[in-house]
Amino acid sequence: AQRVTQPEKLLSVFKGAPVELKCNYSYSGSPELFWYVQYSRQRLQLLLRHISRESIKGFTADLNKGETSFHLKKPFAQEEDSAMYYCALAPSGSARQLTFGSGTQLTVLP
Amino acid sequence: DTAVSQTPKYLVTQMGNDKSIKCEQNLGHDTMYWYKQDSKKFLKIMFSYNNKELIINETVPNRFSPKSPDKAHLNLHINSLELGDSAVYFCASRPTGGDTEAFFGQGTRLTVV
Repeated sequence: AQRVTQPEKLLSVFKGAPVELKCNYSYSGSPELFWYVQYSRQRLQLLLRHISRESIKGFTADLNKGETSFHLKKPFAQEEDSAMYYCALAPSGSARQLTFGSGTQLTVLP
Repeated sequence: DTAVSQTPKYLVTQMGNDKSIKCEQNLGHDTMYWYKQDSKKFLKIMFSYNNKELIINETVPNRFSPKSPDKAHLNLHINSLELGDSAVYFCASRPTGGDTEAFFGQGTRLTVV
């Protein structure tokens, strides 16, 4: 069974401070990992995926297979980053199950 | 030209009623999903369906049933609604296979009174 764990339900940081949203996963095969973001009262949208190794809106995430983690990081948080962030996992090469973590509500304080 | 659209956006209904939420995607994706987001914003998969295979989350009550008239639609039918069914329901679609993005609808806020 696949599982995604986001240990922090709420996270508050000040503007300009670094932020890290934690994500751990369990899956026996080779997973594909994603971060999705949901701004207030909007639909979920993809932020980034591990395979593309890109930086979106200043966010990066590195897949650490040894620690089974996919933490989301940004060196300098902005107020507009305040949102709900979900880590998600899908079995490689399959769209059958896209499993989400419980989410972390990030609040960036002025 | 919305990619994934859900109707209605808001739904208020009484306990015991039967209701449906419609979802349509115009992306040509093979796989569609239904998710439930509860009051604590926890996002739980309910179903995934790709015109060949329906995968049901075993924790979903059988009062919930997905219905797919064609590849572009996956509607959610709920029988005998209960107070605990109140939540936001999201439909999503994604191509089969590969590292691909899932596109979400705007959600349907269901309130059971």
